[in-house]
Amino acid sequence: NAGVTQTPKFQVLKTGQSMTLQCAQDMNHEYMSWYRQDPGMGLRLIHYSVGAGITDQGEVPNGYNVSRSTTEDFPLRLLSAAPSQTSVYFCASSLSTYSSTDTQYFGPGTRLTVL
Amino acid sequence: LAKTTQPISMDSYEGQEVNITCSHNNIATNDYITWYQQFPSQGPRFIIQGYKTKVTNEVASLFIPADRKSSTLSLPRVSLSDTAVYYCLVGEPPSGTYKYIFGTGTRLKVLA
Repeated sequence: NAGVTQTPKFQVLKTGQSMTLQCAQDMNHEYMSWYRQDPGMGLRLIHYSVGAGITDQGEVPNGYNVSRSTTEDFPLRLLSAAPSQTSVYFCASSLSTYSSTDTQYFGPGTRLTVL
Repeated sequence: LAKTTQPISMDSYEGQEVNITCSHNNIATNDYITWYQQFPSQGPRFIIQGYKTKVTNEVASLFIPADRKSSTLSLPRVSLSDTAVYYCLVGEPPSGTYKYIFGTGTRLKVLA
């Protein structure tokens, strides 16, 4: 198993550009989520998904879109990049959606800089 | 929202035991308490989970009092490699779909 993979590892954008951060998992997990982590700060939940076709907002969803067409993939789209979106983005997955006992598995992160 | 409160940072010396306490006054009856560890430039990883009393694994121990309004992560004899951010997680009150909300975490620095 590759676990949770994220691409790209690094990305530099100019203000106003759009891009998609890719996330995939091969563990047949129902639950997937995106977090952002600003320098020296904790993780903040952007969006999450409890299964294919079902997504919901987290703590900081503005400026981001997600979709979940398959169980494996959960891309995060930045519609019009802003310098405030400079951050490290982590994707995570867990087996189910209704138990606090499920462990979350995190990807290696994407470091995004918006100029 | 079930919210957690942890100290922002702690310093310790190699070989000492470190205890990090997390407050979660609004924890729901069915919720477990989970701790994650995050090294610089990596995603968090699971270290321990418990519901009540004491849980121990090869990495840490977790102490949870009877009222479950707090929990304490105990790291025995820390080394420099234990320098990391430690997050305490509890879930939202039972309302269907689960959200995993991380707080600010505790930044542990182990000194030689």
